[in-house]
Amino acid sequence: GQNIDQPTEMTATEGAIVQINCTYQTSGFNGLFWYQQHAGEAPTFLSYNVLDGLEEKGRFSSFLSRSKGYSYLLLKELQMKDSASYLCAVMDSNYQLIWGAGTKLIIKP
Amino acid sequence: ETGVTQTPRHLVMGMTNKKSLKCEQHLGHNAMYWYKQSAKKPLELMFVYSLEERVENNSVPSRFSPECPNSSHLFLHLHTLQPEDSALYLCASSHGGQGYSGANVLTFGAGSRLTVL
Repeated sequence: GQNIDQPTEMTATEGAIVQINCTYQTSGFNGLFWYQQHAGEAPTFLSYNVLDGLEEKGRFSSFLSRSKGYSYLLLKELQMKDSASYLCAVMDSNYQLIWGAGTKLIIKP
Repeated sequence: ETGVTQTPRHLVMGMTNKKSLKCEQHLGHNAMYWYKQSAKKPLELMFVYSLEERVENNSVPSRFSPECPNSSHLFLHLHTLQPEDSALYLCASSHGGQGYSGANVLTFGAGSRLTVL
């Protein structure tokens, strides 16, 4: 079967760095997405990785290793507004999106 | 505002009621989706419409009935639901449908929180 694993919950301190991991086992691979979802709001697109390596977008970076079936989302200089759930999703060989259950990130002052 | 609007935001219904969820997108996208989001579970794809034609139904119970009258509007008709159907129902749209390409970014609405008593 197809599976995406990510931690259920993480806690970090304002101003610090946090890394949210995502591992996947899917039938083929056509890219990996990260979405951010604040409580009571719509999930919003953060990043898309299809090649190995690190993609940086301001305070957020996303890394992919296809050989290891592994990705992480790196958040730097954490702010209180970064408290949200982070959803990892992989597009398989049929271009179907397989979703993880999400990681709830709690930022403490 | 994401460009995808869902109404109502909250809905409480009994098991014998009939209600509908509405979704509207102003992004010029060609595909629309219904997802179910339950606490601590992955998003579950329910229906996909591409150019107003339903292309996927992931074995959803018949008490959920979708309707897509045009590329900007999507409905989810609900009847005789069960308490386990209580969840957040998310609508999304994208430029292409599933199978379009890898970089097919979804734009979501804020969801309709459904409680079935």
